[in-house]
Amino acid sequence: DVKVTQSSRYLVKRTGEKVFLECVQDMDHENMFWYRQDPGLGLRLIYFSYDVKMKEKGDIPEGYSVSREKKERFSLILESASTNQTSMYLCASSTTGRRYTFGSGTRLTVV
Amino acid sequence: GQQLNQSPQSMFIQEGEDVSMNCTSSSIFNTWLWYKQDPGEGPVLLIALYKAGELTSNGRLTAQFGITRKDSFLNISASIPSDVGIYFCAGLNYGGSQGNLIFGKGTKLSVKP
Repeated sequence: DVKVTQSSRYLVKRTGEKVFLECVQDMDHENMFWYRQDPGLGLRLIYFSYDVKMKEKGDIPEGYSVSREKKERFSLILESASTNQTSMYLCASSTTGRRYTFGSGTRLTVV
Repeated sequence: GQQLNQSPQSMFIQEGEDVSMNCTSSSIFNTWLWYKQDPGEGPVLLIALYKAGELTSNGRLTAQFGITRKDSFLNISASIPSDVGIYFCAGLNYGGSQGNLIFGKGTKLSVKP
């Protein structure tokens, strides 16, 4: 089975800090995704990548950037964390047209 | 944009009962996926459906890809306490080299012991 590993389960950061969320998958999937999940809003796509060094904006990219230097790793970057970025962040990977596999999530709190 | 309507939003059931939930869309999807999410965890894939009309089982779970490609349902038979959680449907269309998954808002399942 595909394993998607997110580096941290819980993070607490201060407003204005630069935050890196790391995601690694072990099945050579070409597609990787970052979502955030908030009560009442469901899962919302922040960014996705379909190849190394390629990235596409999702529905809510503002305040975020991403990096994909290697196929197995997709990083989400909060350039200057704000309290409204407190959320559950979920990484996923897939091969095109097939099932998405999610990581366990990172619960980020910005204080 | 594309939207999925998932119902019911929540349900309480007696242990041993069967459960049914569904998703509908105004758009056609090529793939339907059903996930379960436990508190504080990421969604875990339960069933994947790739062809219209497809009926697939995974233990006590059965899901179907609607003929019109605009809907899907998930049934859970003989529910048990560990079935508690939030169930999400997700539809996928893909073009080019990537696709985006559209999620329903979830069905929160609570089981009375």
